[in-house]
Amino acid sequence: GAGVSQSPSNKVTEKGKDVELRCDPISGHTALYWYRQSLGQGLEFLIYFQGNSAPDKSGLPSDRFSAERTGGSVSTLTIQRTQQEDSAVYLCASSLAQGGDTQYFGPGTRLTVL
Amino acid sequence: AQSVAQPEDQVNVAEGNPLTVKCTYSVSGNPYLFWYVQYPNRGLQFLLKYITGDNLVKGSYGFEAEFNKSQTSFHLKKPSALVSDSALYFCAVRDPDTGRRALTFGSGTRLQVQP
Repeated sequence: GAGVSQSPSNKVTEKGKDVELRCDPISGHTALYWYRQSLGQGLEFLIYFQGNSAPDKSGLPSDRFSAERTGGSVSTLTIQRTQQEDSAVYLCASSLAQGGDTQYFGPGTRLTVL
Repeated sequence: AQSVAQPEDQVNVAEGNPLTVKCTYSVSGNPYLFWYVQYPNRGLQFLLKYITGDNLVKGSYGFEAEFNKSQTSFHLKKPSALVSDSALYFCAVRDPDTGRRALTFGSGTRLQVQP
């Protein structure tokens, strides 16, 4: 079946611009996660949504980062006033949110801030 | 706080030889442990996980891992390496007792299998 999809695959932007990254989870998965992969910081958790519960935003690095999940499915990660240190690969994952469930990852969006 | 250590940045092995990629973890309770593989310009692919039960876990592509509670380790192994196994491998942990579902990842180990 279809896996997690993300768009765009690559995004180049200028410092100070806002960007939106999109994630389509696996159908039926109630949990959705955003992670960031960068050379200096490795793989870091950003934010987690599960059903109608309040999201776990504990990993967001600054208030320039926000995310929403509409209708319990598609999610958008927004970075405002982008900085060069925001350059990274942004990975989305989804899971069934049951017990020791497995998180399945999308291909990622490579963000480059010039 | 939970953490994962992958002590080797790179592991080199000849094709056909056994391979081991090391992982140790730290959590306050009983861990959920995962291995993922990442090929160039791709997302993470799930290999295997330990939740409970048998300490030896078998996964995709002939990989297996052994959970060792006393050594707090979860090393990834394969009896006979293939050139196509060359990739970046990540170990991850989650502590179910915290109620948080986010994974904490190790820094990754690059596996290079030489023909």
